[in-house]
Amino acid sequence: DADVTQTPRNRITKTGKRIMLECSQTKGHDRMYWYRQDPGLGLRLIYYSFDVKDINKGEISDGYSVSRQAQAKFSLSLESAIPNQTALYFCATSDLKAGVHTGELFFGEGSRLTVL
Amino acid sequence: DQQVKQNSPSLSVQEGRISILNCDYTNSMFDYFLWYKKYPAEGPTFLISISSIKDKNEDGRFTVFLNKSAKHLSLHIVPSQPGDSAVYFCAASRSGNTGKLIFGQGTTLQVKP
Repeated sequence: DADVTQTPRNRITKTGKRIMLECSQTKGHDRMYWYRQDPGLGLRLIYYSFDVKDINKGEISDGYSVSRQAQAKFSLSLESAIPNQTALYFCATSDLKAGVHTGELFFGEGSRLTVL
Repeated sequence: DQQVKQNSPSLSVQEGRISILNCDYTNSMFDYFLWYKKYPAEGPTFLISISSIKDKNEDGRFTVFLNKSAKHLSLHIVPSQPGDSAVYFCAASRSGNTGKLIFGQGTTLQVKP
């Protein structure tokens, strides 16, 4: 089983619908992230959380919200989906080594979202 | 404003030869750099990293070089193998406990048998 699991893996929805992408991890990491990948733009950070009570905006948080329900769960919501939110979404986790963050992220397999 | 840039969208090399993937950054505050590899239908996986206190880091067939004055880093793969065919992302971060990575656009490497 994957250490970082995303559901759903694929979703097609219509403009204006509310969508939730879920992420769960078994790595025991405190830090969790949501990125989106678009062709020609690489991966861009949407939101990140360093523990259950910590939520931070990333580069492109407009139109998105998140919830850190537990250490192992971090969900991403699109309250009213629009076509330019069509993208591949990745959840990731990370941890500290000897008290220092190395930058190494562990990614899920991705959730492909299409907004018509 | 793209702080981390990979200006070559694609690269094709012959098996056994060297692959060189390039990455430029603009933010002088970045002091930790990473390369990730991504296969289709999978998430990116960490490949190799380098701290700004070094100019080279080697791990098997993979070597990353950092030129701080030019704000440039490169990933060398020697010898290249067909299984190396993937998208490679360069990423940068600031030290401390931020954990926030800024990614480049990615370079698709094709290694031909």
